[in-house]
Amino acid sequence: GQSLEQPSEVTAVEGAIVQINCTYQTSGFYGLSWYQQHDGGAPTFLSYNGLDGLEETGRFSSFLSRSDSYGYLLLQELQMKDSASYFCAVHNQGGKLIFGQGTELSVKP
Amino acid sequence: GAVVSQHPSRVICKSGTSVKIECRSLDFQATTMFWYRQFPKQSLMLMATSNEGSKATYEQGVEKDKFLINHASLTLSTLTVTSAHPEDSSFYICSARPSWAGQGDSNQPQHFGDGTRLSIL
Repeated sequence: GQSLEQPSEVTAVEGAIVQINCTYQTSGFYGLSWYQQHDGGAPTFLSYNGLDGLEETGRFSSFLSRSDSYGYLLLQELQMKDSASYFCAVHNQGGKLIFGQGTELSVKP
Repeated sequence: GAVVSQHPSRVICKSGTSVKIECRSLDFQATTMFWYRQFPKQSLMLMATSNEGSKATYEQGVEKDKFLINHASLTLSTLTVTSAHPEDSSFYICSARPSWAGQGDSNQPQHFGDGTRLSIL
């Protein structure tokens, strides 16, 4: 089977740093992406890791360890508008995306 | 940047109605498009892979006669929910993969439409 595990919810305060972990067990792996989804909206692409290491894009960074089947999304200088659901997604054969269950991030003032 | 347009954004209709949802890639060609379904507070579940010029590939447990997919051109895929019932009420989202992206080009993000919220009364 294929499974991705990530925390169901995380709470943090404005200005803080938050790390959302994702572990996966899938048949076929071409990389790990992270998506943000606000209530009622479509997923928005945040970051992609195809190789081990850290990718940085502004306030967001993502890390991948293929040997550990593990990745994380790091959000720095949290803002209220970062309150949303965050999904990790494994890139599978043929371009398919297998999504995790999502982490609901609540940013408090 | 790459844009995927999905229409309609919201549909409310009676049980037994068939509903067609369109997914268009506006500034790139997409040999492959994907259809996802998302129930409230849940993840996106891949329903099927839409291939231009050939039959769609459905994920296990998805009824192909219930969810008809047509990918008639390199920029348009349609999903028709036939004889919809209340349990089909959900958020349906499409994504498109550029035609030039191969297996090893999965670092290219998929571009998602804005989704269609389907409510069956």
